[in-house]
Amino acid sequence: DAKTTQPPSMDCAEGRAANLPCNHSTISGNEYVYWYRQIHSQGPQYIIHGLKNNETNEMASLIITEDRKSSTLILPHATLRDTAVYYCIVRVGVGNQGGKLIFGQGTELSVKP
Amino acid sequence: DSGVTQTPKHLITATGQRVTLRCSPRSGDLSVYWYQQSLDQGLQFLIQYYNGEERAKGNILERFSAQQFPDLHSELNLSSLELGDSALYFCASSVGGVVGNTIYFGEGSWLTVV
Repeated sequence: DAKTTQPPSMDCAEGRAANLPCNHSTISGNEYVYWYRQIHSQGPQYIIHGLKNNETNEMASLIITEDRKSSTLILPHATLRDTAVYYCIVRVGVGNQGGKLIFGQGTELSVKP
Repeated sequence: DSGVTQTPKHLITATGQRVTLRCSPRSGDLSVYWYQQSLDQGLQFLIQYYNGEERAKGNILERFSAQQFPDLHSELNLSSLELGDSALYFCASSVGGVVGNTIYFGEGSWLTVV
């Protein structure tokens, strides 16, 4: 089962920052937080991942709380093309075991003009 | 474009039949993953291979099987198909099979069983 909790849906105005929360209170010390999105029925698209520190790339920023029990994905200037289902995933697997992604229900983000 | 190639993109077949879905991972990636996405189940992990060997198994039915070949491409075989097997099947790949390696997904193969 997925180890994360996300709101089922969110709205965001075009041009504004979209802040997507995720709770992962049972995360272990060696487990990463990954974010993917899926636009309509396309293949899930990798966005960003982190372990302990905040991370930023050309798509988004990931803020992880100090206790690692929650995180927030930030899309700094949302566009209509960011409308998608966003998945927060705690990636299980240690060493050579697994490493697979277990998807939950995600957050359906609607960016509105 | 993720670099993961899946064929066919669309497939319609009858109940009881067998189909094979093919996946070419990104250049240099050794690990391949298969996922199933249906309307009522969301994205479900099926199976993972690493350099030709099975690494992890999810809720894959006994009627389904997969393998990864020496050239690292993978095939997912679905047999005795039922209406409920209609779904989008995704292949994904990563450099290694461990938790820090990013996984990239293909665009999927739409399977419709009639």
